Amino acid sequence: EVQLVESGGGLIQPGGSLRLSCAASGFSVSSIYMSWVRQAPGKGLEWVSIIYTGGSTDYAVSVKGRFTISRDNSKNTVYLQMNTLRVDDTAVYYCARGLGPLDSWGQGTLVTVSS
Amino acid sequence: IQMTQSPSTLSASVGDRVTITCRASQNISMWVAWYQQKPGKAPKLLIYRASTLESGVPSRFSGSGSGAEFTLTISGLQPDDFSTYYCQQYNSYSFGQGTKVEIK
Repeated sequence: EVQLVESGGGLIQPGGSLRLSCAASGFSVSSIYMSWVRQAPGKGLEWVSIIYTGGSTDYAVSVKGRFTISRDNSKNTVYLQMNTLRVDDTAVYYCARGLGPLDSWGQGTLVTVSS
Repeated sequence: IQMTQSPSTLSASVGDRVTITCRASQNISMWVAWYQQKPGKAPKLLIYRASTLESGVPSRFSGSGSGAEFTLTISGLQPDDFSTYYCQQYNSYSFGQGTKVEIK
């Protein structure tokens, strides 16, 4: 059974850093594209980042230069390193898998950026 | 690529046929997916490649379109269908703004 479990969220001050983890089971994270999608409170879905099977990455304009996606194949885990956090980065962050359409999602982890 | 989804809210009754539209800012062939999201839960994939039903999704859900205009239709709305729906283009991954389907 495919399962994705996010962790690492919490309360952080503006300008701070946080690393989110997404532990996968039931498949290999190196065999499929893995994405991060976020949802601000009461708002819609916003795609954040993707790591492709070959290891290349892509980012939304809103996070480019501040966020870094990576994976550890030995731990079957995908990460999102978030630096220089801003108040408008406050959201539930979901990891999801899919070669285009996202067919499995984690439960999400809440990141709150506030002083 | 921008995805413009409409309407933002839709009021309907059980048994109704409802249609949600997404327009892309450029031609994206058939690279569109539709998701359903319930409050406090992760989105669920319903349709991909514009019209292919994900396994396990009821046949009352259908998708159509190509190029830059796409629709999601629910034929015979059920109580469990009152949710928020999002389109997504997976050329560059952006989502539409969402459509909340609420009880009339």
